[in-house]
Amino acid sequence: AQRVTQPEKLLSVFKGAPVELKCNYSYSGSPELFWYVQYSRQRLQLLLRHISRESIKGFTADLNKGETSFHLKKPFAQEEDSAMYYCALSGGGSNYKLTFGKGTLLTVNP
Amino acid sequence: DTGVSQDPRHKITKRGQNVTFRCDPISEHNRLYWYRQTLGQGPEFLTYFQNEAQLEKSRLLSDRFSAERPKGSFSTLEIQRTEQGDSAMYLCASSFTAGGKTQYFGPGTRLLVL
Repeated sequence: AQRVTQPEKLLSVFKGAPVELKCNYSYSGSPELFWYVQYSRQRLQLLLRHISRESIKGFTADLNKGETSFHLKKPFAQEEDSAMYYCALSGGGSNYKLTFGKGTLLTVNP
Repeated sequence: DTGVSQDPRHKITKRGQNVTFRCDPISEHNRLYWYRQTLGQGPEFLTYFQNEAQLEKSRLLSDRFSAERPKGSFSTLEIQRTEQGDSAMYLCASSFTAGGKTQYFGPGTRLLVL
């Protein structure tokens, strides 16, 4: 079974502070992990995926297979980062469905 | 806008009525997915198509739910004899083979069953 856990429903930081959104997963094979973001009144959109090993809008995420985690980090939060963040998992091979966590609402205060 | 589109964006219906939602994926995307999202939850997978073939259905998809993608382009999701528990946001997403498993989401259809 695929499961994604985001332990924080809400996270509030001040502008310029570091931010880390936690994501833990459960999957017996080799998963693909994603972070999706939903800004106010907008659709869900991809932020980054682990296989790309890229930094988007200053965010990075490293897949830690030992700890089964895929935490999202940004060293200096900006007010425009305020949004709902979802961690998602897709199984290996021909498993295309995404399993999402419940999401973390990030608020960056001025 | 060349993204995934969904119609209608909002639907209010009475319990027991049937409703149908439409999703138009990004052009040339061969995979199409349906998800349901309720308040405080992440999207939950319902079903997905590769071209016109429905390849996987979730246990969440009861007999009252049916999805089609007859020509491998747009898709419809029908809910028969709606119940109040069906009230949710219904999301559609699409992807293409060269894009790996990245899915692109539509704006969703919000259903309220009274």
